[in-house]
Formats: sequence, C-alpha cells, structure tokens
Amino acid sequence: DAGVTQSPTHLIKTRGQQVTLRCSPKSGHDTVSWYQQALGQGPQFIFQYYEEEERQRGNFPDRFSGHQFPNYSSELNVNALWLGDSALYLCASSLAGGLRYFGSGTRLTVV
Amino acid sequence: GQQVMQIPQYQHVQEGEDFTTYCNSSTTLSNIQWYKQRPGGHPVFLIQLVKSGEVKKQKRLTFQFGEAKKNSSLHITATQTTDVGTYFCAGPAAGNKLTFGGGTRVLVKP
Repeated sequence: DAGVTQSPTHLIKTRGQQVTLRCSPKSGHDTVSWYQQALGQGPQFIFQYYEEEERQRGNFPDRFSGHQFPNYSSELNVNALWLGDSALYLCASSLAGGLRYFGSGTRLTVV
Repeated sequence: GQQVMQIPQYQHVQEGEDFTTYCNSSTTLSNIQWYKQRPGGHPVFLIQLVKSGEVKKQKRLTFQFGEAKKNSSLHITATQTTDVGTYFCAGPAAGNKLTFGGGTRVLVKP
C-alpha cells in the first residue's frame, strides 16, 4: 500500500519562473491538502482539493494554484517565483478530511 | 484567524531526563493533533486527542488535551536520542484546514 508520494524531491528555479509540483495520495484517500513549510517554521496551509475542486484556501496569493485529477492526484503550480517561495512543499492526503498523511515533500529553492 | 502557539521553541534535554512542551490555541478546538518531524524529514502523525481532559500515552510519550480544549501538552520521560526532532501540534480551523504551531525543536545531549 503506497503512501503519499511527491515529485520531484528537490528543485532549483530562478526568480520569475514557474514550477509544478506533483502529489499522489495514499491509496483510498480522496482529499489532498498542500502546505508550505519555510525553514524553521511550522507548515502553513495553502489549499485543499476534494472532488477536483478547491475546497478551502489559506492566505496565499493567486500565484499559487492547483488542480486535482479524477484519480485524486494533485498538482501545485506557482507562477512568478520569488526568493521567498523557497521552502519545503508538503502534500497531505486524507479520506473525507480525516487524519492527514504527509508525503516526504518537495524542497524548492528559488535563486 | 485561529492561532496556535507552542512553547518552548527549543528544548535542550540531557539524555534520560524528562521534559514537557506546550501548545495553546486562540480558539476552542474540536481536536488536537501532534506530529513529529525528524531533521530533513516530513511531519509524521503521532496522535489525535478529541475529548476534554483526555490523556493518551504512547510508551514514553504522554499527551494531554486541556479541559477547555484550547491547550495541550506533550510530556516525554527518559528522553532518548531517538526523540530528536521537531514536535508540532495542529488544530482544525474553520472548513477543516489544519493550523500548525511553530513547533518545539528537541535536541538531546548524550
């Protein structure tokens, strides 16, 4: 039974570029949440997807967008990258908003 | 909006000693969850507390949910080097999103 998988594990981008991060939820899970974790801080909620729709959104600008596919996998897109977007991006899956299982994350560095 | 605070931010512990870390929410919580994140790793779910005054134990870890359901604590006895990491508490806010505290970073001195 595969857990939550994220790709890529590490990524280096230049300011102004765009990035797409991917997440496959744990088998049987239908809800995907994305979090941004800056160095030395707790995870900050970006948004949550359920039934291919954004169900809830945190305090992040429109540069952050996402998508959920019919197989429940999800993508996080960030446009016009800033240096401040450098962080660990975590995907968490759950069943109907229950307990979250986190993936190993994607470490994004913006230079 | 809801805020979750954790103290202390850092905890330096001698191996074998006990310590407690505290979590406080600005709002009443339906439940509180605790996660552990090892250095370079990702948050791993430890436990969820739901009832007012609930106490749960996992080996050397004891978790407590306050009577008012606005605070929680994690007590670790006989600290070991395997306890190194950051411990986060998190509570559900409106709409089911999880709000995390800033974490307590635990360093163990052998």
